[in-house]
This record gives sequence, C-alpha cells and structure tokens, in this order.
Amino acid sequence: DAKTTQPPSMDCAEGRAANLPCNHSTISGNEYVYWYRQIHSQGPQYIIHGLKNNETNEMASLIITEDRKSSTLILPHATLRDTAVYYCIVSPGDGNKLVFGAGTILRVKS
Amino acid sequence: DAGVIQSPRHEVTEMGQEVTLRCKPISGHDYLFWYRQTMMRGLELLIYFNNNVPIDDSGMPEDRFSAKMPNASFSTLKIQPSEPRDSAVYFCASTLPGYSGNTIYFGEGSWLTVV
Repeated sequence: DAKTTQPPSMDCAEGRAANLPCNHSTISGNEYVYWYRQIHSQGPQYIIHGLKNNETNEMASLIITEDRKSSTLILPHATLRDTAVYYCIVSPGDGNKLVFGAGTILRVKS
Repeated sequence: DAGVIQSPRHEVTEMGQEVTLRCKPISGHDYLFWYRQTMMRGLELLIYFNNNVPIDDSGMPEDRFSAKMPNASFSTLKIQPSEPRDSAVYFCASTLPGYSGNTIYFGEGSWLTVV
C-alpha cells in the first residue's frame, strides 16, 4: 500500500547531478516525505526527509513542490558508490511505520 | 553508537527447524521494527513495537512467525517450523521519534536460507 510512484530505474553519469522524482499525489497534511536508499547487500539507509520546505544535508537535497504532490531527490555530484535502490516514502512523523515501495534503481556510470 | 545489531548475519537451516533471529536496537530508541525482504515482494514490514509492546503485527505472514521484545535492548523473531519460502533477508530497525519526523535506522540484516 505504498503511496508513492517512482520510475523503476535511472542512469546517471558519474560527477553529474542525479535527480530522482517521486509522485505522492495523495499525501496528507501531516505526512513527511522520506528518502532512503539501499546499497546492494546492506540495510536501507536514511538520506533526508521534509514536510513542505526544501531540505539539504551533506548527502542530498530534497525539493518538494508547493502543492506537496511530488518531490525530487537531488544527489549533486553522483559517484559510483551512489548506485543503489532509492525509496521515496510518505509517512506521519510520529514513529509510524515506513511502507516501502519498489523504489528506483539508480545506476551511476563512469 | 554501534547501530542496530542483528544476529546471526547468515543462517542456513533445514526445513522444519526452528529459527531465531535476534536484534539489539540503538540505545534509547523506543520503536523497533522487523522487516523482511525478498526479490518477489520487496521490503515488507512484519511487526513493530513501541516501548516493548507490539503495536502492529498485521504483516506477520502466519502463525509460524512470532516476535517478542522482553526489554528495551533486545528483540527476537522466531520461525517455527521454518519452510523454504521463508528464505529472505530479515531486517531489524529502530527509531526515536522527534518533533520533525523520525529517522529509522536499519541493521545489516540476517540472511536466512531454508533448504
């Protein structure tokens, strides 16, 4: 019952920005947008989250549209180590469970 | 902090045997989650606890699966009897919710193969 839609896969050239889109048209007012990634054979790793403002941290930037129905995760300078499955999830921020969809397979190529 | 610690990392067992997976959450975290990942079904939430109390076990596939959290620093996921279709990676995760959303931290997973 994932509430997000992501492209199944994307390619990005090493050193270039990777822009991963996510649609969440049924997002509720109290739901955050979370991004996680999973590198092969590892547990999912938190990247960033936001409610309605754009957010930036040392890993990535999150751009949320004004109507909150979609967002974009930006990896400013993708490296080969960023090759992973990226999950966009919407969830209330009070300890509720995260429901993972299929995510986007990002392949960073040299 | 050592992060979420799971054991065993890898287990191969025969069908019908009991399997116990263990998890130590990050100290101070009051939510604990058990997920299962397979190629066919992706990441599925099995059960989660708050303050050692099970909150939602609707994802537990059947009565062969059970989970306990006897204290704040330890949880187990048990499969009895195990079947080949239980082969998967089982992840444990924990979090301490804040005012502005919560970050869930995952362990490295327990890779289970039932033959």
